[in-house]
Amino acid sequence: QKEVEQDPGPLSVPEGAIVSLNCTYSNSAFQYFMWYRQYSRKGPELLMYTYSSGNKEDGRFTAQVDKSSKYISLFIRDSQPSDSATYLCAMESGGYQKVTFGTGTKLQVIP
Amino acid sequence: DGGITQSPKYLFRKEGQNVTLSCEQNLNHDAMYWYRQDPGQGLRLIYYSQIVNDFQKGDIAEGYSVSREKKESFPLTVTSAQKNPTAFYLCASSLGQGRNTEAFFGQGTRLTVV
Repeated sequence: QKEVEQDPGPLSVPEGAIVSLNCTYSNSAFQYFMWYRQYSRKGPELLMYTYSSGNKEDGRFTAQVDKSSKYISLFIRDSQPSDSATYLCAMESGGYQKVTFGTGTKLQVIP
Repeated sequence: DGGITQSPKYLFRKEGQNVTLSCEQNLNHDAMYWYRQDPGQGLRLIYYSQIVNDFQKGDIAEGYSVSREKKESFPLTVTSAQKNPTAFYLCASSLGQGRNTEAFFGQGTRLTVV
């Protein structure tokens, strides 16, 4: 079993829809949770990170962490065609430990 | 502008050749990383360095080598021992010192074996 599981998609939604992207994990030592966005043939860019259970909001993006269920989500409100990309979740246990990435979910927002 | 620069963007290698991928950052970050990205497999860690003159193997280090002689630079050599080197290679950096959550990535190098 992989430490981090993420549905690869692709996920296609109409413009303006609310998008939900999810990851599950098995390592209870993970404390820090990140979401990266990666456009085709580009490097990933950090969207959000959080270290506690609950919600964190940044504009149209909301990151949600449920440590008891080992489940994290990224919600995108009012999705735009420019949101079309691959979204990678990532997790770290802190200290000098390495970051573990999910495989990424490809999202397409259709105008 | 601060950032992380990878070169070249595209690289072609013949069977049996070693090639070196460049990664330079001007963010004053202590930690630097090399990842390999293949379709359906996400990012896999090749090597990482938390400080100058020190580096550790990641999950898939076989067939690769690195050096960290300067804080700004972390070149990756793909040796002929790497059996399946065709992939998208990503370099990243972070503050380090236990603060690795905010990693900044370069734009990647796509390596193809011909």
